[in-house]
Amino acid sequence: DGGITQSPKYLFRKEGQNVTLSCEQNLNHDAMYWYRQDPGQGLRLIYYSQIVNDFQKGDIAEGYSVSREKKESFPLTVTSAQKNPTAFYLCASRDRDRGGNQPQHFGDGTRLSIL
Amino acid sequence: GEDVEQSLFLSVREGDSSVINCTYTDSSSTYLYWYKQEPGAGLQLLTYIFSNMDMKQDQRLTVLLNKKDKHLSLRIADTQTGDSAIYFCAENRYSSASKIIFGSGTRLSIRP
Repeated sequence: DGGITQSPKYLFRKEGQNVTLSCEQNLNHDAMYWYRQDPGQGLRLIYYSQIVNDFQKGDIAEGYSVSREKKESFPLTVTSAQKNPTAFYLCASRDRDRGGNQPQHFGDGTRLSIL
Repeated sequence: GEDVEQSLFLSVREGDSSVINCTYTDSSSTYLYWYKQEPGAGLQLLTYIFSNMDMKQDQRLTVLLNKKDKHLSLRIADTQTGDSAIYFCAENRYSSASKIIFGSGTRLSIRP
């Protein structure tokens, strides 16, 4: 079955620590996205990548970093510079063909908390 | 404020119809989407409508688009307890085809 897998489901971070959230997709989608969702709020775009070895900052990129070395993988690192990392993180992917109008498909999310 | 706006809460009686409303600002939007999020899960695409359509029906779901007023609605007929979730409206702007803009979500609760 094709889909997007995020791991781990729950993650805890200590002060001063970097943590990496995994996102893997087997949908053969070119574009991938990372969002942050805070309680009772909508989605805010952190980073996105339209093609391998290329990515762009979203609306709240500070304190985060990404890489896109493979088409199927788009890991997100939450660095120690992100002072309020507690949130639900969602990864999405999208087929860029046919005029860029395809919907995004989402993983099940990773909930990150501070210890 | 949000570029895509939704009311935060909606409560309906089981068996009634639910209507979730959304307004957007960019008249160049090509596709508009409705997503459903259940607790602790990701977003599931429910349905979408192309901007040259006025209405789309898919089983219990009806999407209405008023392009003049930039208003989108999702009607769920015969609402069931399993419909309890947060519903997000989203737009795909022609001017920014690489990104989709999401509303803040409407929490639908069902009362017996």
